[in-house]
Amino acid sequence: NAGVTQTPKFRILKIGQSMTLQCTQDMNHNYMYWYRQDPGMGLKLIYYSVGAGITDKGEVPNGYNVSRSTTEDFPLRLELAAPSQTSVYFCASSYSKGGRTNEKLFFGSGTQLSVL
Amino acid sequence: AQKVTQAQTEISVVEKEDVTLDCVYETRDTTYYLFWYKQPPSGELVFLIRRNSFDEQNEISGRYSWNFQKSTSSFNFTITASQVVDSAVYFCALRAMFKGGSTLGRLYFGRGTQLTVWP
Repeated sequence: NAGVTQTPKFRILKIGQSMTLQCTQDMNHNYMYWYRQDPGMGLKLIYYSVGAGITDKGEVPNGYNVSRSTTEDFPLRLELAAPSQTSVYFCASSYSKGGRTNEKLFFGSGTQLSVL
Repeated sequence: AQKVTQAQTEISVVEKEDVTLDCVYETRDTTYYLFWYKQPPSGELVFLIRRNSFDEQNEISGRYSWNFQKSTSSFNFTITASQVVDSAVYFCALRAMFKGGSTLGRLYFGRGTQLTVWP
């Protein structure tokens, strides 16, 4: 079972460059999330989606954009990369039905991004 | 505001020792969920447990046990007879109970505790 797959695993960007972090899940989960983890810190929510075509901001959305055109994919776009975006990025997914949430989040293995 | 504090940054134990990871939380919500996640060296977070705020029964799962005390706002995690494979970063997290889409997924994480178990 693939679960949540993130690509790439590592990336170095120059200031001002743009890139897209890919995330795909094969569990037919309706909810998907993007978190960032700074060194020595807990995860912070960037954006999340409750289903295809629906996205919303989390705690730290500035400098990022997302889209959810399919259930499986939830790419995260960085425009004009800045050193403050150096972090490890985690994609996650979960399933909810009938308004009841399943709190068991499945995480990808992360993307280490450095902006120099 | 939601806040999770894991005061222990790093803990080192020798295999077979018991170890307790502390978690203290702050919230104004009367109903909420508490979580523990494990992050092994591979980096991927692994869900361990979820507790509801209205259920203060302690839980045991194999070598793992959790002590939830609402009076002290704590949700501590104990590993009995630790093993080298338990070496990881452990995160405690908090979320308000579902009020609608605005709070869904907004897990507030602590900074994590790096546990190292030596053979």
